[in-house]
Amino acid sequence: DIQMTQSPSSLSASVGDRVTITCQASQDINNYLNWYQQKPGKAPKLLIYDAFNLETGIPSRFSGSGSGTDFTFTISSLQPEDIATYYCQQFDSLPLTFGGGTKVEI
Amino acid sequence: QVQLVQSGAEVKKPGASVKVSCKASGYTFTAYYIHWLRQAPGQGLEWIGWIKPNSVATSYAQKFQGRVTMTRDTSISTAYMELTRLRSDDTAVYYCARVRCSSSSCHLAPFEIWGQGTVVTVSS
Repeated sequence: DIQMTQSPSSLSASVGDRVTITCQASQDINNYLNWYQQKPGKAPKLLIYDAFNLETGIPSRFSGSGSGTDFTFTISSLQPEDIATYYCQQFDSLPLTFGGGTKVEI
Repeated sequence: QVQLVQSGAEVKKPGASVKVSCKASGYTFTAYYIHWLRQAPGQGLEWIGWIKPNSVATSYAQKFQGRVTMTRDTSISTAYMELTRLRSDDTAVYYCARVRCSSSSCHLAPFEIWGQGTVVTVSS
């Protein structure tokens, strides 16, 4: 199974800050990497797919980069509504696996 | 609009089975793979498996092999996930999710549409 190591597990930032989350895969997953946002009591929401593509309707302050085994998710200017837990997920091979999540707080 | 609506919360005793439904609307049900995932309280996301609605093909995570069965009823655009021999550590929110692409080989793809989740509690 491909292990996804996400860091940090939590962070606290201020409104307007740049926030960066990293995700490392245990083997090359090409660009088959997605980022999801999950708010308490809600289902996850797709933000970024194929490592860097912004899902339709998602604000441009969210972005993704990376390839191979190392990936980065960035919120360029943190907004109050961005308080959530963020997960990376690989879909290079089965079983599909997720990072442990990053809880973003203000 | 495109949506997946799941069945309501369940409380089960250890050793029992649970069957969760996921009704699709707003798109052609047979064109997109449906995956099932779960999230234990305070934990991350865990993939259970997928079903190809137009062919009954399935694939399950090894962890759930022998305990999970995914089926569908195309006449009512509904997918089902049944988990047997429940244990206390099966307590979780169970989600269905539709992939982003409609190719017949698109079983590995981002999860674009999610159900609202079904809480399954296993307790004696």
